[in-house]
Amino acid sequence: DADVTQTPRNRITKTGKRIMLECSQTKGHDRMYWYRQDPGLGLRLIYYSFDVKDINKGEISDGYSVSRQAQAKFSLSLESAIPNQTALYFCATSDPGQVHGELFFGEGSRLTVL
Amino acid sequence: KQEVTQIPAALSVPEGENLVLNCSFTDSAIYNLQWFRQDPGKGLTSLLLIQSSQREQTSGRLNASLDKSSGRSTLYIAASQPGDSATYLCAVNAGGTSYGKLTFGQGTILTVHP
Repeated sequence: DADVTQTPRNRITKTGKRIMLECSQTKGHDRMYWYRQDPGLGLRLIYYSFDVKDINKGEISDGYSVSRQAQAKFSLSLESAIPNQTALYFCATSDPGQVHGELFFGEGSRLTVL
Repeated sequence: KQEVTQIPAALSVPEGENLVLNCSFTDSAIYNLQWFRQDPGKGLTSLLLIQSSQREQTSGRLNASLDKSSGRSTLYIAASQPGDSATYLCAVNAGGTSYGKLTFGQGTILTVHP
């Protein structure tokens, strides 16, 4: 089983719908992240969390919200999806107590907003 | 603002060739640099991580070097194989602490043909 699991892997939705992408990890890491990947733009950080009580905005947080339900779970919500949020979304984790700053990624959630 | 550039954008080589992928960054005050591999429809797999105090890291046929003062890193792949075909991404952690606010390059798409 994957250490970082994202659900759903693929989702097609319509403009204005609320969408939640979920991430769970079995690595025991405190730090979790949500990135977005667009063709030609690389990966960009949306939100990150250092522990259950810590949530921080990343580079492109507008239109997104997150919830850290437990150490192992970090979900990303789009309250009212729009077409330019069509992208590949990645969850990642890291543990500062191990190799400094090394990130471990899930397999991604492909979201299409029509 | 940190910017990361990867050259070339795409590379096609015959099996067995040694090859070099390039990554440059604008702000030399980095904490570490990480090379990833991404297969189509898959997440990112960490290949090598170089701390800012290190000059290179090796793993099997892969060797990554870092010249922080010039803002450059290279990923050397020896004796390339068709199974090496993937997108290779470099990312810098420029925050000065071991958290995962990585800045990614746009990637190099590598094709190794038999």
